[in-house]
Amino acid sequence: EAQVTQNPRYLITVTGKKLTVTCSQNMNHEYMSWYRQDPGLGLRQIYYSMNVEVTDKGDVPEGYKVSRKEKRNFPLILESPSPNQTSLYFCASRTGGFQETQYFGPGTRLLVL
Amino acid sequence: AQKVTQAQTEISVVEKEDVTLDCVYETRDTTYYLFWYKQPPSGELVFLIRRNSFDEQNEISGRYSWNFQKSTSSFNFTITASQVVDSAVYFCALSVFSNFGNEKLTFGTGTRLTIIP
Repeated sequence: EAQVTQNPRYLITVTGKKLTVTCSQNMNHEYMSWYRQDPGLGLRQIYYSMNVEVTDKGDVPEGYKVSRKEKRNFPLILESPSPNQTSLYFCASRTGGFQETQYFGPGTRLLVL
Repeated sequence: AQKVTQAQTEISVVEKEDVTLDCVYETRDTTYYLFWYKQPPSGELVFLIRRNSFDEQNEISGRYSWNFQKSTSSFNFTITASQVVDSAVYFCALSVFSNFGNEKLTFGTGTRLTIIP
């Protein structure tokens, strides 16, 4: 089954404790992206990756890092989480073609205390 | 810069009524894509439809229909004979592509639809 998976789905952590949210897709997609969803703001892009070893900032990259060492994986790293990073995070992927639609993962709810 | 406006923050209708969710967008790009996503209480994003800027043909899929009008920059979504399972937050989104190939996907703030049994 074609899918985008995220782990963990729920996470409660404390300020400053490094964490990684994993994202994996099994569709051999070149393009992957991270979004955060906050009430009243919709979804905003954090980082994206056009392909392996090619990443760039989205609209709200501060406080986040990503890496793309393999095509299927695109982890989101919070080196020193802060309460304002409490949010619902979505990973998405699609093929490289502009005509294609992004597939979204199930989301990760993060609470930073 | 792109912008998507969903002016209806919350809508409640009685089951079996028809309901229309409004979406107005802004972009200077001539090539773009419009989307609707459904987010049920469980939180996942469910893709409903994608429409490119060159295709103004309206679409119907079961009880769902979409009205795309470039003249008014609107892409409205109608649910006919609503059901309780339609209760969710619905997002309209606009996609454009940069010269470098990044897909800039701009979401509206969503409309929370509640269907009352």
